Formats: sequence, C-alpha cells, structure tokens
Amino acid sequence: DAGVIQSPRHEVTEMGQEVTLRCKPISGHNSLFWYRQTMMRGLELLIYFNNNVPIDDSGMPEDRFSAKMPNASFSTLKIQPSEPRDSAVYFCASSSTSYEQYFGPGTRLTVT
Amino acid sequence: AQTVTQSQPEMSVQEAETVTLSCTYDTSESNYYLFWYKQPPSRQMILVIRQEAYKQQNATENRFSVNFQKAAKSFSLKISDSQLGDTAMYFCAFLKTQGGSEKLVFGKGTKLTVNP
Repeated sequence: DAGVIQSPRHEVTEMGQEVTLRCKPISGHNSLFWYRQTMMRGLELLIYFNNNVPIDDSGMPEDRFSAKMPNASFSTLKIQPSEPRDSAVYFCASSSTSYEQYFGPGTRLTVT
Repeated sequence: AQTVTQSQPEMSVQEAETVTLSCTYDTSESNYYLFWYKQPPSRQMILVIRQEAYKQQNATENRFSVNFQKAAKSFSLKISDSQLGDTAMYFCAFLKTQGGSEKLVFGKGTKLTVNP
C-alpha cells in the first residue's frame, strides 16, 4: 500500500492567496483527519470525516478554512484568503476500524 | 476535556542503552486508546505502539514497550537497545472510543537524542 499521499509537499504563497492542500487516504480506510502542527500549539485536529461525512470540525480556526471529501479517495483543505499565521505543517491521516491513524508526509505551508 | 502531558521536553541516551519517556493523561472515560508516535527529522509521523485501556497487559513492539498504569493515568514508553535511528520527537496521544469520536489528543512531545 502506498500509504497516505499528500500534495504538495511544500507550498509558499503570498498573503491573501488561496491555498489548496490535497490528500489521498489509504484505500479501505473510512476515516480521514486533517491536523496542523506549529511550534506554539503542537499538533491540533482541524477536522475529521467518517465515510466522507464531516463529523467534527470544531478545530477549524475560522471561516477562511474549509475542507471537503467528495469521495472515499480524496480530500482537500482550502485556506482563502491565506495569512502569515497559517504557516505550519498540515498533516492528513486516515484510519480504519482499528483506531490507528496513519499519517501522510505533511505539507509545509509558508505564507509570506 | 482530555489532556495529555509529557513532562520531559528533551532527553538524551547513549546508543544501546535504555530510555523511558513519560506521559500522563487526564480523562473521565473508562474506554480509550493510548498511542506513541515518533516524528524523525523527516517530519513523518510514525505509529510506534498502541494500548487499549481495557487490557491489563502492557503492549510491546520489538524494542518498544509501554508501562500502562490506568489508575495513575500514566503511559510511559521504554526504548531498549537505543539506536541512532530512534532520534526523533516522540508524541503521546489519547483517543476516547465512546460516543463515536476518533479525536486524537496529543501531548507536546519529547525530543529524544541518541548519542553514539
């Protein structure tokens, strides 16, 4: 299995621009998670989906952030407009019924 | 709300020796899972070991084992025969299983350095 796939691996953008992060979960996994990692706040859950349905989005910082999962093999996290404080590493993870979450390699986002 | 505390921001150990990383958590739940994740400089989050709260037996995975003390809400990770490749950030994480939630709560991490 290829594991969780994320793209891009690095993204540098200017403040105000739209950013879209992409994730392909492990085949057969029914839950998908988006996390953000910063030095100040550590690892935070932003949102998670079960069977393509958003279950908990209480960690989404504000309306500038949105996430979608149109099918079982693809999810996006969008930031519009982006701000310098959004600079972080964004991880996607997936799990099956075992509760073990497997993480992708992450996307390092830099907003200048 | 659940909280996870890792009281050791940094630790170091000599190659081939044993090191124990501490983790405590706070919860009123009776059923839950605990995990240790490793994050090497490559930043990939790697699952190291898992413990179900209802199991009294401590989980082991090769050189990695845990000391799970449910009453004390303690979940430490022991790494035996430390190797240079064990150098990484280690995160303790809690997941409650009641109510259908799959939300992982992470500690702040312990930076482990294995010295040659």
